[in-house]
Amino acid sequence: AQSVTQPDIHITVSEGASLELRCNYSYGATPYLFWYVQSPGQGLQLLLKYFSGDTLVQGIKGFEAEFKRSQSSFNLRKPSVHWSDAAEYFCAVGYTGTASKLTFGTGTRLQVTL
Amino acid sequence: NAGVTQTPKFRVLKTGQSMTLLCAQDMNHEYMYWYRQDPGMGLRLIHYSVGEGTTAKGEVPDGYNVSRLKKQNFLLGLESAAPSQTSVYFCASKGYNEQFFGPGTRLTVL
Repeated sequence: AQSVTQPDIHITVSEGASLELRCNYSYGATPYLFWYVQSPGQGLQLLLKYFSGDTLVQGIKGFEAEFKRSQSSFNLRKPSVHWSDAAEYFCAVGYTGTASKLTFGTGTRLQVTL
Repeated sequence: NAGVTQTPKFRVLKTGQSMTLLCAQDMNHEYMYWYRQDPGMGLRLIHYSVGEGTTAKGEVPDGYNVSRLKKQNFLLGLESAAPSQTSVYFCASKGYNEQFFGPGTRLTVL
């Protein structure tokens, strides 16, 4: 069964600092990987996704993620964090089964200090 | 396009009461999903549908039923609510390799 681990429950960074959120997955085949962001009281918004090809993926809001097969990782990065990036971030893994179900990690809450 | 909408946004139930959550999408998507979100547990799949008239169980289906009578709607029912069903419920529909989420329904069962 596929699984996703986000080892950091809560991260605090200063505005302007760089950010890396960790995500590790367990899945037998090549996964489809996603990062979603959830602002307080809101639904989930897709930041970026990886299906195949270039292992460095660019997303919205200046985020990027790198797929590393050897490490089973898909870490999310941003060079310079803005206060508006404070939110909860979810990594998810999926596959092209009949239902394309997603398995989500438990999330990382990002706090940004001014 | 409204995308994915959910009704209601908030609800408080007493133990044993029943209710139905409505999810609607206007993107003509075949696949739809119901998740619940609990603190520290991420999103867990309750039920899903791969097309009108079809439903299937997800990871945590007990205590819930679903129906997909129309392609654009996916209903989640609680026949006899329990405090353990206090959660935020999200509906999603799948386009090309991407799931689109609704704004959520916050349900409290007393």
